[in-house]
Amino acid sequence: EPEVTQTPSHQVTQMGQEVILRCVPISNHLYFYWYRQILGQKVEFLVSFYNNEISEKSEIFDDQFSVERPDGSNFTLKIRSTKLEDSAMYFCASGRRRDQETQYFGPGTRLLVL
Amino acid sequence: AQSVTQLGSHVSVSEGALVLLRCNYSSSVPPYLFWYVQYPNQGLQLLLKYTSAATLVKGINGFEAEFKKSETSFHLTKPSAHMSDAAEYFCAVSSGSGNTPLVFGKGTRLSVIA
Repeated sequence: EPEVTQTPSHQVTQMGQEVILRCVPISNHLYFYWYRQILGQKVEFLVSFYNNEISEKSEIFDDQFSVERPDGSNFTLKIRSTKLEDSAMYFCASGRRRDQETQYFGPGTRLLVL
Repeated sequence: AQSVTQLGSHVSVSEGALVLLRCNYSSSVPPYLFWYVQYPNQGLQLLLKYTSAATLVKGINGFEAEFKKSETSFHLTKPSAHMSDAAEYFCAVSSGSGNTPLVFGKGTRLSVIA
């Protein structure tokens, strides 16, 4: 069964460094999402992406964040200058259709900013 | 705005006992409702979803949930708990229009005691 994959599974970085989190969505999906979960808190929406542009973004998704689909398979989240409070589990998700189809989640990348 | 409240951050049941995980939602539009499960070190897996069809929804692994509009609830149940059901369970809501983001509850950790 097709699944969403994410790399790396864990990343440790120093405050102020740039990180890129990578996701490979399910191949025939058209809608892509990033969510994050700070330890002990809710899973929160960051951004959705369709047709090579951002569809919607939350207040969390400020100028330090960017997303890109550099080729036909990868979907990346970049944090330009990490802060301590960016430490979280980051989930990528993808969906197939415009109407409310299931969002399929990857296993997540645990980011630790020191 | 939409929101989800999951009562009980941790629920413990005996093997073979009824599982009941509570979810209440707030939505200004007819909601789409989801239950996801997260096993240790894995991503979020869809258990079941309600998308305005039958109010009693059956999912995988013997779980089911009933949409009660009058109570704004979508509680998850399973008649007989199994050790393998031990995981984190998340309730989520969306407006169901377009590729709208999911709004999650804080999650409920289910422990199953032998």
